[in-house]
Order: sequence, then C-alpha cells, then structure tokens
Amino acid sequence: DAKTTQPPSMDCAEGRAANLPCNHSTISGNEYVYWYRQIHSQGPQYIIHGLKNNETNEMASLIITEDRKSSTLILPHATLRDTAVYYCIVRLSPRTGANNLFFGTGTRLTVIP
Amino acid sequence: NAGVTQTPKFQVLKTGQSMTLQCAQDMNHEYMSWYRQDPGMGLRLIHYSVGAGITDQGEVPNGYNVSRSTTEDFPLRLLSAAPSQTSVYFCASSYFRPSGANVLTFGAGSRLTVL
Repeated sequence: DAKTTQPPSMDCAEGRAANLPCNHSTISGNEYVYWYRQIHSQGPQYIIHGLKNNETNEMASLIITEDRKSSTLILPHATLRDTAVYYCIVRLSPRTGANNLFFGTGTRLTVIP
Repeated sequence: NAGVTQTPKFQVLKTGQSMTLQCAQDMNHEYMSWYRQDPGMGLRLIHYSVGAGITDQGEVPNGYNVSRSTTEDFPLRLLSAAPSQTSVYFCASSYFRPSGANVLTFGAGSRLTVL
C-alpha cells in the first residue's frame, strides 16, 4: 500500500509562497494524491487532489513529478490563517477497499508575521 | 445545507459504559466513514460504509460497531468504553466520482473522554 513521507514541520513568512513537499515513491498508477489540512482541532478540510497532471484551484496548486513519486503543494501567498497541519494522502491499502484515505502525521506549517 | 453534523461535541464516559456518536449528512453522499485522532497523531479509519446497509472495517475497528440504515445517518457505537478510546472522533462523507477520486467532507468532531 502506498504511504507518504512529509517533513514534520515548516515555517513560511506571511505573503510568501509556501511549498510543502511529499514523497510517495510506492504510489501505483491509478492512485490519486490528495491534500487536506487541519486547523487546530477542527475537522480536516479538503484542498486539492491530482493523478498525473498539475492541478490548481482557488486554494492551492499541486505539482506532481513526472514519475509520480513525489508532489508539492503550493500556497501562493500564505496568510496567518494558513497555519495548520497539512496532510498528503494516497489511497489506503486495497484490503480495506472503497478508496479509503490514509492520514499520516502531516506537516505542521506555521506562517510567521 | 448543513454538511456533516456530529453530536455530541463533547462526552465524558466511565469505563464500561456504552454510548453512540451520531453522524448525519444532508448531501446525499453514498460513502461515509469514521476516524479517530489521538494526540499528535494523524487520523485512523475505524469503519466505513459505501451505501445504506453496507459497512466494513477500517484500520482500528475493535470496540466499535456501526450500522447504516439510511443514506443520511452513520452512527458509531461504543459497546463498553475503555480509557484507550479517549480520542477525538471525526465523521466524513463523500460521493463516488466517475474518476474514482474520493473527496471527503468532514464533520467538526466529537471529543470523547473515558475515565
């Protein structure tokens, strides 16, 4: 089953771009990469997902390497409200089926004024 | 449109007591799931359901039961609470996309303490 590796913590200056890396070297060809974030103890919030191509929405951009072994989430202009734990996720082991999502420990992003 | 609603938000139980965490969604989502989150850790999948009448186990199902009699509701039952079940519980739902992607909407969480 595909797992992800993320740095435990990162800092970013307010107004600058935040680039959050994720390694998923064992990802299979039909597995999506998802990014969620969790602010304080709130429920996780969906940010973006992708399969092979780079993706962009109103919250962020997702850059996936050509070999799909790693990806980067980009928050173009970080604000203090972006301080959160960011989870990079691929599908849980097939034995549990239904495209369940496996949440690791994520990256704690702190945006500094 | 309320999204995913969890009740109660906070609950304190004594060891051996039973209780039910409620989860309801108004988005007509087929898929629903329960996760638990312990301090400093990510979320771990307890049980999930792909439709009314269909449930299955996740990573950490022991000590919990679920049922899905309607599309909207997915209650999580603790049969005999133990201190190890002290955690924050999150319910999530989604609809099945033709692409196969699973984009979850989460509830606000239920914080459970077992003494």
